[in-house]
Amino acid sequence: TQLLEQSPQFLSIQEGENLTVYCNSSSVFSSLQWYRQEPGEGPVLLVTVVTGGEVKKLKRLTFQFGDARKDSSLHITAAQPGDTGLYLCAGLIKAAGNKLTFGGGTRVLVKP
Amino acid sequence: DTAVSQTPKYLVTQMGNDKSIKCEQNLGHDTMYWYKQDSKKFLKIMFSYNNKELIINETVPNRFSPKSPDKAHLNLHINSLELGDSAVYFCASSQEGPSGPQHFGDGTRLSIL
Repeated sequence: TQLLEQSPQFLSIQEGENLTVYCNSSSVFSSLQWYRQEPGEGPVLLVTVVTGGEVKKLKRLTFQFGDARKDSSLHITAAQPGDTGLYLCAGLIKAAGNKLTFGGGTRVLVKP
Repeated sequence: DTAVSQTPKYLVTQMGNDKSIKCEQNLGHDTMYWYKQDSKKFLKIMFSYNNKELIINETVPNRFSPKSPDKAHLNLHINSLELGDSAVYFCASSQEGPSGPQHFGDGTRLSIL
């Protein structure tokens, strides 16, 4: 059983469509990070959320942290082929010790 | 300049061999990590060093031994390689510990024949 569940596992959409990726846990996150990983490269940090209910925007990407700090979502508006990649959420969960726990990732494919 | 660099990028070797992966960061960070990403893309921490001192040691076979000669370097030596060791190994660093942004290298793809 994974402490962090991401859904969906795979998402294929057309350029211009919107998409949402989810990250859930039964435990409370001290903080949560979102990364994007492209083939052959390491994950790159997109955002960190800390406060319950927090919303952060990064151009066409909107990140929400649940009020109870047990879930988060990443919404991409008008997706572009450059958004293609593996999106990973990673949370600091006290029950898991002082280390980042990663979700299994959502693979996003944006077709032109 | 590459912030976190690890070598080699690809490593293909026979079962039973011993191999090492090197990692260097030029960001001046105090904390470095080794992660393992399996074929299903799960990324799991293996070790963490803070200023050359081991602070996280997950349930990893003792065939895996990290070494940090200084805070800019964290190497990983693996003895008696097994088929299940095939994965991508990522080195990372951070300034604020795991709560801060992790800067990853591009990974070393280890394939055991």
